[in-house]
Amino acid sequence: QQQVKQSPQSLIVQKGGISIINCAYENTAFDYFPWYQQFPGKGPALLIAIRPDVSEKKEGRFTISFNKSAKQFSLHIMDSQPGDSATYFCAAYNFNKFYFGSGTKLNVKP
Amino acid sequence: EAGVAQSPRYKIIEKRQSVAFWCNPISGHATLYWYQQILGQGPKLLIQFQNNGVVDDSQLPKDRFSAERLKGVDSTLKIQPAKLEDSAVYLCASSFRTSGDQETQYFGPGTRLLVL
Repeated sequence: QQQVKQSPQSLIVQKGGISIINCAYENTAFDYFPWYQQFPGKGPALLIAIRPDVSEKKEGRFTISFNKSAKQFSLHIMDSQPGDSATYFCAAYNFNKFYFGSGTKLNVKP
Repeated sequence: EAGVAQSPRYKIIEKRQSVAFWCNPISGHATLYWYQQILGQGPKLLIQFQNNGVVDDSQLPKDRFSAERLKGVDSTLKIQPAKLEDSAVYLCASSFRTSGDQETQYFGPGTRLLVL
């Protein structure tokens, strides 16, 4: 059973547009929700993270929105740039273990 | 601060051969993870160490995969014998617990394995 469900699988956005990636989870014991960015040939890198006691966290052009009651969280990339083209993974954490979504391949068109 | 180091970066072997991967985590990180990432999928945890003890190896195919973390620092992951379906990227990660009581995880560049 997949603990974290991520959508869409792929996303094409024009430069300057907003990229939105969604994740949903079932286990209410999760207490930390990071997002990772992965470029081809590289390992995932922590991008931004949120705890469930906060509804939104913003770092530069990247924002996490968190809806505890719906058990959903999303990554918003404002003013998307071609350099943002990568695969993005959401994850959820509890009891010393990370559970990853299946990934979203983002392509930002110039 | 040096990142998580992994070697080799690429490996091509034939099925039924054996292969070993090495990982050196960030200094001071007590927790070390080995993940398998199949193309187009998210990382799947194979084994997790806390210092030199195993925390979780429930998804490690123990008939062919083994891992150790001697002295609680670097780690090796071995596959013997390899199967075609083992073709994947093997990621090592390490983490530390922040003051907010959450783990911050850092990944290495991965070892890309192709089994022919």
